[in-house]
Amino acid sequence: EPEVTQTPSHQVTQMGQEVILRCVPISNHLYFYWYRQILGQKVEFLVSFYNNEISEKSEIFDDQFSVERPDGSNFTLKIRSTKLEDSAMYFCASNRDRGSSYEQYFGPGTRLTVT
Amino acid sequence: QKEVEQDPGPLSVPEGAIVSLNCTYSNSAFQYFMWYRQYSRKGPELLMYTYSSGNKEDGRFTAQVDKSSKYISLFIRDSQPSDSATYLCAIETGANNLFFGTGTRLTVIP
Repeated sequence: EPEVTQTPSHQVTQMGQEVILRCVPISNHLYFYWYRQILGQKVEFLVSFYNNEISEKSEIFDDQFSVERPDGSNFTLKIRSTKLEDSAMYFCASNRDRGSSYEQYFGPGTRLTVT
Repeated sequence: QKEVEQDPGPLSVPEGAIVSLNCTYSNSAFQYFMWYRQYSRKGPELLMYTYSSGNKEDGRFTAQVDKSSKYISLFIRDSQPSDSATYLCAIETGANNLFFGTGTRLTVIP
């Protein structure tokens, strides 16, 4: 069964450093998302991406964040200058088409620890 | 006002019990309602989604939406220890993103 994959599973970085989190969405999916979950808190929407551009973004997704689809399979989230409060699980998700955003499939997550 | 609110639990039941998990939501315009299951340190796994009102059944799981009271429920029949996880309700806002509840941690005791 196809699934969303994410690398690395755990990333430790120092405050102020740049990190890139990588995702490979399900191959025939067209919509891609990043969510984050701070320990003990809700899963929160960050950004959605379609046709090589951002569709929607939340207030959390400020200028420190960017997303990119550098090739036909990868989808990345870059945090330019990490802060302690960026420590969280980051989940990538995808769905097949515009009408099926209720059917998002999530990856296993990358745990980001900022020290 | 929060988009979706969920009883945080935790909830502990004996094996074989019927489990009821609940959420309320704020905006009557929401149309799609989802239930995800999340094991510890894993990604949310889509269990089922429901459009508008009514019930949807999948094996031991039944999702129910009451739009008049803005209430969504997930029932698990004959609960098993393998059902022990955190259950997240979510709504699709119509803007290609999901709002999640806080999650209810369920433990099924053998």
